[in-house]
Amino acid sequence: GIQVEQSPPDLILQEGANSTLRCNFSDSVNNLQWFHQNPWGQLINLFYIPSGTKQNGRLSATTVATERYSLLYISSSQTTDSGVYFCAVGARGSQGNLIFGKGTKLSVKP
Amino acid sequence: SQTIHQWPATLVQPVGSPLSLECTVEGTSNPNLYWYRQAAGRGLQLLFYSIGIDQISSEVPQNLSASRPQDRQFILSSKKLLLSDSGFYLCAWSDTGVRETLYFGPGTRLLVL
Repeated sequence: GIQVEQSPPDLILQEGANSTLRCNFSDSVNNLQWFHQNPWGQLINLFYIPSGTKQNGRLSATTVATERYSLLYISSSQTTDSGVYFCAVGARGSQGNLIFGKGTKLSVKP
Repeated sequence: SQTIHQWPATLVQPVGSPLSLECTVEGTSNPNLYWYRQAAGRGLQLLFYSIGIDQISSEVPQNLSASRPQDRQFILSSKKLLLSDSGFYLCAWSDTGVRETLYFGPGTRLLVL
């Protein structure tokens, strides 16, 4: 099956700093999503981005499907950005079943 | 708007006891439904998915089972819990179709003692 690797596994930032999270995947996908899990466990969908670039406020994401990676950018980080960021991918014909990476744990210090 | 509910929020059960976790979705029809488990170490593992009533696929062998008695209801069960069943159980839904964005419920924390 598809392998999903996220880096870095842990990241500590000072409030106001920018960061880039990376997701590499081992095979062609037609579904790629980024999620944020807050400290209480709630998973929030950030982006559906199997290819191209999207922006939502201070967050943006880019997926280069031909090179099998996706990047999540966080600008001007805030303490509320803390939590774990997951990348999840689905192969063609997978009926929406997603394979999750192990996540990047982000801690933003005030 | 769509809403997904899970209960209970927290559960402590002895080894060998039965389990029933419930998930319901409001505001949509014929959703795809999923059960994921998140163990310590934060990876999410897909346990079951369903594309319709009584249409359930299992992704991993285990002592858990799933049922979908109604279109927007998904139940995770076990006849006898094991210690290794402890974890954070998340229900999710997505629309059928090309763009299958996944939306998660609040989760159930299960501790088996």
